[in-house]
Amino acid sequence: KNEVEQSPQNLTAQEGEFITINCSYSVGISALHWLQQHPGGGIVSLFMLSSGKKKHGRLIATINIQEKHSSLHITASHPRDSAVYICAARRIGADGLTFGKGTHLIIQP
Amino acid sequence: GAVVSQHPSRVICKSGTSVKIECRSLDFQATTMFWYRQFPKQSLMLMATSNEGSKATYEQGVEKDKFLINHASLTLSTLTVTSAHPEDSSFYICSAGSREKGTDTQYFGPGTRLTVL
Repeated sequence: KNEVEQSPQNLTAQEGEFITINCSYSVGISALHWLQQHPGGGIVSLFMLSSGKKKHGRLIATINIQEKHSSLHITASHPRDSAVYICAARRIGADGLTFGKGTHLIIQP
Repeated sequence: GAVVSQHPSRVICKSGTSVKIECRSLDFQATTMFWYRQFPKQSLMLMATSNEGSKATYEQGVEKDKFLINHASLTLSTLTVTSAHPEDSSFYICSAGSREKGTDTQYFGPGTRLTVL
């Protein structure tokens, strides 16, 4: 079992829909990252969380430390949101990140 | 936001040759740099962590003699894939962290796609 699990693996939705991507982890962490990877491979860091909730534009990220679970939400989704969304955990005592396998999101017009 | 560049963005080389990939932090001092690799349809995997002026720490299963990492300054780290083979073909991404920006924050480079023929 991977230390960081994401669901769903693939998600296709219509423009305007509310999107939720889930991430569960099995180790103690100091921070959890949500990343966006575009088809060319480049990665953009969306959020870094250690507790609670963060919002940036149409994106919301939440984390429940007790349940070892985080969610990424996209409101009013748009085709330009189509990308791979990756959850990555920084284990306590470690510097590098442990990544989930990613969620491939397609938003259809 | 902080900017991290990588060069080259894409490289094709013959089996047995060595390839150097550069990772630069353009507007901040990167006290720590990370090298990751991503095989097709796989998740990113940490290869090694390097702190400026000290030897890199490699993850289990990553050969330090094959993947040479040099972090000679606070703005530059290099990864050299020595005697590359087709199985080394992958997408290599660096990220940089700095104390001034918070030790948990990482800024990712755009990646280098290596194809070994």
